[in-house]
Amino acid sequence: DQQVKQNSPSLSVQEGRISILNCDYTNSMFDYFLWYKKYPAEGPTFLISISSIKDKNEDGRFTVFLNKSAKHLSLHIVPSQPGDSAVYFCAAVTGTASKLTFGTGTRLQVTL
Amino acid sequence: SAVISQKPSRDICQRGTSLTIQCQVDSQVTMMFWYRQQPGQSLTLIATANQGSEATYESGFVIDKFPISRPNLTFSTLTVSNMSPEDSSIYLCSVAPTGGIPINYGYTFGSGTRLTVV
Repeated sequence: DQQVKQNSPSLSVQEGRISILNCDYTNSMFDYFLWYKKYPAEGPTFLISISSIKDKNEDGRFTVFLNKSAKHLSLHIVPSQPGDSAVYFCAAVTGTASKLTFGTGTRLQVTL
Repeated sequence: SAVISQKPSRDICQRGTSLTIQCQVDSQVTMMFWYRQQPGQSLTLIATANQGSEATYESGFVIDKFPISRPNLTFSTLTVSNMSPEDSSIYLCSVAPTGGIPINYGYTFGSGTRLTVV
């Protein structure tokens, strides 16, 4: 049972444009949603998160939107930079200090 | 946020042998999590390690195959036992943010151990 899904395995965006990464979930009990970036041979790096009681959180170039009725969240990166090229995972957690449930990942490539 | 030192970073092992992966955290944490990322796949939780009690394993993972030690609040090990090529994966440890609420800081991950079993 895949509770968190990222339906796009890959995305290519031109430098300077907006990157939109999507994530869907099925468990309405999730309290927090997180986005991670992962380079090969490194551990995931935390980018941004959002509480289930919010619909938007912004941090610099990164904005996460949450649509609870649709059980959908998205990560917007504006403007995209070549260094953003990586695999992006969304993750969700119920409660505090509990396990993360990860999506399947989207490979973002930012081209010049 | 916590800083995690994980080692080894990579290893190539013979089938039938065991490998122990270590994670050292720079602060005391209640729970540590161990994940596996198989090639081209997502991160899957193996087990949650609490100090002073037995680890809690997820469905599909058993203690005999993945024994975990948690001797104190800053250290944990995961052993991959009797390895087969199917165990070739990246193994990662993780800790929750202080206070447990992942808003300003997410869960921190080690740099991962890339295991190849031949």
